[in-house]
Amino acid sequence: GQQLNQSPQSMFIQEGEDVSMNCTSSSIFNTWLWYKQDPGEGPVLLIALYKAGELTSNGRLTAQFGITRKDSFLNISASIPSDVGIYFCAGPLFYNQGGKLIFGQGTELSVKP
Amino acid sequence: EPEVTQTPSHQVTQMGQEVILRCVPISNHLYFYWYRQILGQKVEFLVSFYNNEISEKSEIFDDQFSVERPDGSNFTLKIRSTKLEDSAMYFCASSHGGSGGDNEQFFGPGTRLTVL
Repeated sequence: GQQLNQSPQSMFIQEGEDVSMNCTSSSIFNTWLWYKQDPGEGPVLLIALYKAGELTSNGRLTAQFGITRKDSFLNISASIPSDVGIYFCAGPLFYNQGGKLIFGQGTELSVKP
Repeated sequence: EPEVTQTPSHQVTQMGQEVILRCVPISNHLYFYWYRQILGQKVEFLVSFYNNEISEKSEIFDDQFSVERPDGSNFTLKIRSTKLEDSAMYFCASSHGGSGGDNEQFFGPGTRLTVL
């Protein structure tokens, strides 16, 4: 089946550091969504990207839709302890009209105060 | 801010029993979804629902599963005869659109289903 590959799988950083994670696929996506999930809770939408090359920010978070439509990255600047969680990329395949999202396996972020 | 709600938060059931998981999507949304997440794994699509019918379903969504929108606000997932491997977090999501520029999906907090 279609897959989204996220890297790294986990990160351990010091508070205040910047973080970068990415998401790649062998297939084209027409939307990239970035979610954050805290333990025992549902994914929370952080950023949505709709155009190739688009760069969008949400506070300290910045995400980009890759030019090839096969990748996206998420940056977090000046990390704080509440950034801890699992970050998922997700998207519908370009030909999919029903809205089914494919999810990556997640990047787990740990922040040391 | 409008949000997706789900009940119950945790359901424990015996193998072979029927369970119904309930969701109230965001009120002006038109597309509804169920996903599941086995502990420690990624979120997997089960089914999408639009205009009172299933739009798409995954291979996981077999004859034991069904969805319904019984009234103007609720969206339910029924598992007819639960199996041990159905134990997972089940998330409901909704979006205003189904594709293109308006399919930002908002997720509920989930129902943890434990099958004994």
